[in-house]
Amino acid sequence: AQRVTQPEKLLSVFKGAPVELKCNYSYSGSPELFWYVQYSRQRLQLLLRHISRESIKGFTADLNKGETSFHLKKPFAQEEDSAMYYCALSALTGGGNKLTFGTGTQLKVEL
Amino acid sequence: DTGVSQDPRHKITKRGQNVTFRCDPISEHNRLYWYRQTLGQGPEFLTYFQNEAQLEKSRLLSDRFSAERPKGSFSTLEIQRTEQGDSAMYLCASSLEGTIYFGEGSWLTVV
Repeated sequence: AQRVTQPEKLLSVFKGAPVELKCNYSYSGSPELFWYVQYSRQRLQLLLRHISRESIKGFTADLNKGETSFHLKKPFAQEEDSAMYYCALSALTGGGNKLTFGTGTQLKVEL
Repeated sequence: DTGVSQDPRHKITKRGQNVTFRCDPISEHNRLYWYRQTLGQGPEFLTYFQNEAQLEKSRLLSDRFSAERPKGSFSTLEIQRTEQGDSAMYLCASSLEGTIYFGEGSWLTVV
């Protein structure tokens, strides 16, 4: 069974401080990992996916298969980064790409 | 806005009544998903369509729930004999082959 764990419900940092949102997963196969973000009063939207290995809005995430982690990082937090962040996993086998989400981490960037 | 649209955005219903939600996916997206989200939780997968075929259903989808996508375009999710535990946000999403795009969701409150 697939499982995604985000241990922190709330992460509060000061503007300009580094950010790390933790995500661990369990899956017996070869997963695809995603980070989705939900800004206040907006729909859930894709932030980044591990296979693209790109940086979006200054965020990066590296898949560590040994530690089964996909932590989201940003060196300098901005006020506009305040949002709800969800880590999600998709199995690469089978039809479709059903996502299994973690419970989310609320990031609050304080001035 | 040419994204995934859902209707209604909010629904308050009495316990025991039936409700139906509609989802219009992004044009030409062949895959359509329904998720449910309750407070403090990430979205949970309910069901998935490829074109008009319903290919997967979660155990969360009890017999009171039925989803259709008759012409491979829009989809409906019906909940019969609603219970208070059905109160949640019902999210629709669509994809072609890659990124899954979410709608804004339909809030259901069962009183």
